[in-house]
Amino acid sequence: QVQLQESGPGLVKPSETLSLTCTVSGYSISSGYYWGWIRQPPGKGLEWIGTISHSGTTYYNPSLKSRVTISVDTSKNQFSLKLTSVTAADTAVFYCVGMTYYRGSGIVDYWGQGTVVSVSS
Amino acid sequence: DIQMTQSPSTLSASVGDRVTITCRASQSISTWLAWYQQKPGKAPKLLIYKASSLESGVPSRFSGSGSGTEFTLAISSLQPDDFATYYCQQYSSYSTFGQGTKLEIK
Repeated sequence: QVQLQESGPGLVKPSETLSLTCTVSGYSISSGYYWGWIRQPPGKGLEWIGTISHSGTTYYNPSLKSRVTISVDTSKNQFSLKLTSVTAADTAVFYCVGMTYYRGSGIVDYWGQGTVVSVSS
Repeated sequence: DIQMTQSPSTLSASVGDRVTITCRASQSISTWLAWYQQKPGKAPKLLIYKASSLESGVPSRFSGSGSGTEFTLAISSLQPDDFATYYCQQYSSYSTFGQGTKLEIK
């Protein structure tokens, strides 16, 4: 059974870089799914951040592209998110996800439990 | 960017009711549309993909329809477990979610 677990700081200061890692278990990250990040601000809807293939091909939300980097480490069965120059508007629950790829993104088959990241000084 | 608009934002219904939720895309997305269910404090769960394909394990009272710019999620006979928030997602060009529809008990 595929399981995903987010890890990283729960509090980030404004203008700094948010960094999260997702560890995948029960499935080799190289085997075929695509991997990504989705966030949900408090009381609001879902926003796709980006997607990465096991080989490192990336697709980013155009509205976040200038601040986002997603990378993959197949040796550790992990992938990561970096979001630079954060503001309070980046406060959200961040989900790492496993996706069936279609046209730059795809449908989400597997979700992590989510991790809350607050941006505050 | 493709914008997704769901209606209504909130829907009040009773157990046993049939309900429908609509999702409209700002441009044609063919049938590249999925529906998710989210309960408070939990990650969303995939219900429908390719507009009308039921995900394995999802009860048959859930159904999806539509193509182009207008889509519908229907629940044929509401069960207590169905009260949740529902999101549509387009994946025709990158990905965008609707703002959500909260289905609450009348």
